[in-house]
Amino acid sequence: QQQVKQSPQSLIVQKGGISIINCAYENTAFDYFPWYQQFPGKGPALLIAIRPDVSEKKEGRFTISFNKSAKQFSLHIMDSQPGDSATYFCAASMVEYGNKLVFGAGTILRVKS
Amino acid sequence: NAGVTQTPKFQVLKTGQSMTLQCAQDMNHNSMYWYRQDPGMGLRLIYYSASEGTTDKGEVPNGYNVSRLNKREFSLRLESAAPSQTSVYFCASTLQQGLPLHFGNGTRLTVT
Repeated sequence: QQQVKQSPQSLIVQKGGISIINCAYENTAFDYFPWYQQFPGKGPALLIAIRPDVSEKKEGRFTISFNKSAKQFSLHIMDSQPGDSATYFCAASMVEYGNKLVFGAGTILRVKS
Repeated sequence: NAGVTQTPKFQVLKTGQSMTLQCAQDMNHNSMYWYRQDPGMGLRLIYYSASEGTTDKGEVPNGYNVSRLNKREFSLRLESAAPSQTSVYFCASTLQQGLPLHFGNGTRLTVT
């Protein structure tokens, strides 16, 4: 199975709050988990990524938390800003699948000022 | 550097018409991809080219063909467009499979 399930579909957060987006997968062969950010009218761009040998990765206000046993990973955006308003996609890939990315359905984040 | 350039940005077709979406990258990347993005379905891989001279099907290849013209260019052709192909199409590239993808800004296609 090569599905990645993402939730919620949309999210509204107040400025300064924490945005949390969750993803779950079934295939334990996945070995790379990136998050992409997409602004309207633009293509997605890599935001942050993690491999299953670590449980957390932080880059500025963005953190990926990874739970290997639960087969879940999440994106946390601390101190959310209006400029963070975008669509966020989680994804996963595995060597056995030629490292091709399988994307979640996306989460539309709106940060209210 | 322009990165990944897609043309056209917008296109309206009638059912049964054909067209080719163009993609070019100037980053000397080896691998190139075509995705479609539909609401609530994320990005789904149509075709990809792991290296110049090779192409392979992705998740949703039916109704499409591709050509890896050279290392820079990877085109997507719709031979007989259908309303179900109404979507936003993204081209992406990477130096090698497993490294981050660089996306173009998409082609919004409507088939009536």
